[in-house]
Amino acid sequence: KNEVEQSPQNLTAQEGEFITINCSYSVGISALHWLQQHPGGGIVSLFMLSSGKKKHGRLIATINIQEKHSSLHITASHPRDSAVYICAVSTGTASKLTFGTGTRLQVTL
Amino acid sequence: ETGVTQTPRHLVMGMTNKKSLKCEQHLGHNAMYWYKQSAKKPLELMFVYNFKEQTENNSVPSRFSPECPNSSHLFLHLHTLQPEDSALYLCASSHGLAGDTYEQYFGPGTRLTVT
Repeated sequence: KNEVEQSPQNLTAQEGEFITINCSYSVGISALHWLQQHPGGGIVSLFMLSSGKKKHGRLIATINIQEKHSSLHITASHPRDSAVYICAVSTGTASKLTFGTGTRLQVTL
Repeated sequence: ETGVTQTPRHLVMGMTNKKSLKCEQHLGHNAMYWYKQSAKKPLELMFVYNFKEQTENNSVPSRFSPECPNSSHLFLHLHTLQPEDSALYLCASSHGLAGDTYEQYFGPGTRLTVT
């Protein structure tokens, strides 16, 4: 079993829908990261959080340390949000990230 | 150039070839990373360098040889690879490590195919 589990693996939504992607982890962490990977490979860091909630534009990330769970929400989704969203955790040595397998999101018109 | 750049973007090599991947960061960071992304698998950390010193080798086979001549440049030397080494190789950088976690900035990756 992977230390970082994401759900769903694939998600299709219509433009404007509210989207939630979940991440559960089984180890103690120093921080949790949400990353976005577009076709072609480039990865962009969306959030790094260790408690509470962060918001950037239409994206919101929350984390519950006690439950070892994080969610990434996208409000008013748009086709340009189509990408793979990856959850990763920093454990032990701060530099070492352990990744989930990603959630492939497709937003259609 | 800004951010993290990687060259080449695509590479096809035979199992007996020797090639190198290059990564350069223009962010003033002290830590640099190599990751491997194979199809249907999570990203895997390969190597970490902090202030030019290797601080992490995630049990990577010796046919992958990293080099970090300074905090801005990172190389991955490849020799006698296997077809299963075909993957996307991503470089990242972050501020230095001092017990705190820093956000990592990724390059666009090199798509490697071993024939």
